[in-house]
Amino acid sequence: DTAVSQTPKYLVTQMGNDKSIKCEQNLGHDTMYWYKQDSKKFLKIMFSYNNKELIINETVPNRFSPKSPDKAHLNLHINSLELGDSAVYFCASSQVGYNEQFFGPGTRLTVL
Amino acid sequence: DAKTTQPNSMESNEEEPVHLPCNHSTISGTDYIHWYRQLPSQGPEYVIHGLTSNVNNRMASLAIAEDRKSSTLILHRATLRDAAVYYCILRRVGNDMRFGAGTRLTVKP
Repeated sequence: DTAVSQTPKYLVTQMGNDKSIKCEQNLGHDTMYWYKQDSKKFLKIMFSYNNKELIINETVPNRFSPKSPDKAHLNLHINSLELGDSAVYFCASSQVGYNEQFFGPGTRLTVL
Repeated sequence: DAKTTQPNSMESNEEEPVHLPCNHSTISGTDYIHWYRQLPSQGPEYVIHGLTSNVNNRMASLAIAEDRKSSTLILHRATLRDAAVYYCILRRVGNDMRFGAGTRLTVKP
């Protein structure tokens, strides 16, 4: 069983489009995260959700919006995609009080 | 935020121990030292973490200096599968993780 899964694995789209990336975890964790890894391979946290509340909101453009329909899912919606949004996006989850974060396999987004 | 400094890259021979250093001279008393690794085309993977005492688990050992200004991740017997980028991260409980550039470990057969 995959602990943290993301769909799609690859996403190629045109500038200006709106897209979503889905994330699901079956670990029963109460906190989920989105990270962005750019072309220079730096991983940067974008958002985290705890019990359906946003607890970290890094200075990312408001074109990016996390949506959590339930504790097991944290989807990432991106409006008006730009070339600079091209990156690999990773979802992760953890349990409050524990240090280990479990990461998904990543979604490679390419904006043309 | 306290920062970490790691060598850009290291090489090791298969089946030999590897010592990956990390400097964190501005660490505060509430910062935990975390290590993650990222294998090619995969998401990061937790390796180990500690606060003051040395830690061991099935993957690795973490040696923390007495003044906590540096630490070393020890892979006791490197395999080809251990080739990855290793990240040393300082994190306070409840805070987000800030990844640096990490150390790219190459394991030679």
